This record gives sequence, C-alpha cells and structure tokens, in this order.
Amino acid sequence: GAVVSQHPSRVICKSGTSVKIECRSLDFQATTMFWYRQFPKQSLMLMATSNEGSKATYEQGVEKDKFLINHASLTLSTLTVTSAHPEDSSFYICSALTSGGPYEQYFGPGTRLTVT
Amino acid sequence: SQQGEEDPQALSIQEGENATMNCSYKTSINNLQWYRQNSGRGLVHLILIRSNEREKHSGRLRVTLDTSKKSSSLLITASRAADTASYFCATAGRRALTFGSGTRLQVQP
Repeated sequence: GAVVSQHPSRVICKSGTSVKIECRSLDFQATTMFWYRQFPKQSLMLMATSNEGSKATYEQGVEKDKFLINHASLTLSTLTVTSAHPEDSSFYICSALTSGGPYEQYFGPGTRLTVT
Repeated sequence: SQQGEEDPQALSIQEGENATMNCSYKTSINNLQWYRQNSGRGLVHLILIRSNEREKHSGRLRVTLDTSKKSSSLLITASRAADTASYFCATAGRRALTFGSGTRLQVQP
C-alpha cells in the first residue's frame, strides 16, 4: 500500500514557540491532505483540509492563524502550530488522498506534540 | 463535522472470546471503514465496507453495515491479547473521514 510519513514523530517545545510538522506522501501524489488532532483517549477530529496550490479549508472552531497549513507540492503538506500553548499538546495525524479515482486515503503515523 | 457514536466505549474480554463493537452514524455515506489504533500509535486500516454491501469478512474480522439504521458492527472472533487496542469506525462522505468515538478493547491473556 501507499506510504505517508510524518516528521517529527515526537516533539517537545516550550510555550510560545512554533512547531512545524511535515506530512509526505512517499510514493504517490496527493492533491488533498487532511490534518486530524487526537487528544488522549479521544477520537480523531478533522482540523483542516489541505489543498495543493490553494488555501486550506479549516473546520469550525479551528483557528487558521494558529494552525498554518502549507501544501506547496503534491507530496508535502506542513502544519505549523504557532505560539504553541500546553493545551495544544496532542497527537496530530495527517492523511493523504490519492489524486484521481478511486480515491483512497492513507494515514501518517502521527506526531506527538508536547508543549511545556 | 458530525461524529459517530460507538459502543461500548470500553470492552474487556478473555483471550479466545469474541468481541463485538457497534458504530452508529448520522449522515449518508459512501463507505464505512474500521481502524485499529494501538496506544500512542498511528491508525491501522482494517476493513472497508461500501454502502451497497451488507457484510464483509477479512480473516477474523466480520463487519456488517445496515444503512437503514445507519449502523455498523465489527466482530473480532477468537480474540488474542495482541488485539488489545482502540477501534474506530470512520465514515466517508465527500473526502475527509469522520471518526466515531472509539471502543477500547482489552483482551486478557
């Protein structure tokens, strides 16, 4: 199956700093990628849809100025958590949708963010 | 986005027993998928059932789908300790997946 990678897998940062998380589709092109967030013992919640070459679409309640998404190529989307706070500590998971039908979605392994 | 409900929220069984998890959703779907997630890890895709299918099997997994009731069930037969994980259903509308609340399964050896 297709592979999606995320980097870093874990990151610890201080409150007020910014953190960038990368999501790459390794062997296929993805016009669309999704970013999910998962708090401990909870389900995954869609944060935003990342579209190559255009602005991301954010879900209700997700601050676009805080979670900056850039999808500059067909294989890379980045999520930057700006001015991170402890409440942003979470597991961030991306997925990539294959371009062209049938559309299949592949998940990255996730990034554990801890803000101290 | 709407989120499905799963029950039970937590399930503890003995090795060798069957485990059944249920999922209900609210909107029309193209397909429904089940995922497993080990603690602190990424998602593992288990099985996909399309909206025009009623039952699907894969190894020890059996999934049913009732679109009239907007519900699905995942049955794991002859459970093993390695099946201990959280299980999520996810429905596909347009493109993004909407995940259920999950069932935490504990299989006691």
